Amino acid sequence: DAGITQSPRHKVTETGTPVTLRCHQTENHRYMYWYRQDPGHGLRLIHYSYGVKDTDKGEVSDGYSVSRSKTEDFLLTLESATSSQTSVYFCATTGQVPGEQYFGPGTRLTVT
Amino acid sequence: AQSVTQPDIHITVSEGASLELRCNYSYGATPYLFWYVQSPGQGLQLLLKYFSGDTLVQGIKGFEAEFKRSQSSFNLRKPSVHWSDAAEYFCAVVSMDSSYKLIFGSGTRLLVRP
Repeated sequence: DAGITQSPRHKVTETGTPVTLRCHQTENHRYMYWYRQDPGHGLRLIHYSYGVKDTDKGEVSDGYSVSRSKTEDFLLTLESATSSQTSVYFCATTGQVPGEQYFGPGTRLTVT
Repeated sequence: AQSVTQPDIHITVSEGASLELRCNYSYGATPYLFWYVQSPGQGLQLLLKYFSGDTLVQGIKGFEAEFKRSQSSFNLRKPSVHWSDAAEYFCAVVSMDSSYKLIFGSGTRLLVRP
């Protein structure tokens, strides 16, 4: 268990509102990731971070931004939520072994 | 581009029966391959991984997987399934660019009949 928590665990919001999801880790891992999970698509990478203030886009980054001001926290922001962003969002970290990722419990986001 | 295909969306097996979940990958070099399991309402947990060497790798919960380069496959197996194995299973390959991101298949949902 890599000590990854996500907050909130569930959220319902309206179209057009901003939303921020938080990921917190206690393992001092350098790499952190945000994925979204949708039926039939597996998990798809939104953004990732390779250090404090160092972030980059994944394959489905449109409409999302991220920030990492401390090693332990990685924030995902939906600037103006849309119904297509209804999904389950997972945070993950990687330690020393590439690909060996540790996942948080997920945040279920519903945009109405 | 790297990709992972899991051709079976759902598989149903009887408790005590053997299991094989299929995974095919597309990658030019030797891939780093993984199987993750997701129980309902949970995050993903690593079952096993392959980097190099012995092509048959053992994982947690009695699972094993075999890497076959000639078939670009990394199938997951278990000789006797337990009801608690009902979950969704994801095969993944790690991207060896600077992101080290995982590229996932679309998953196979395993149902276990009593």
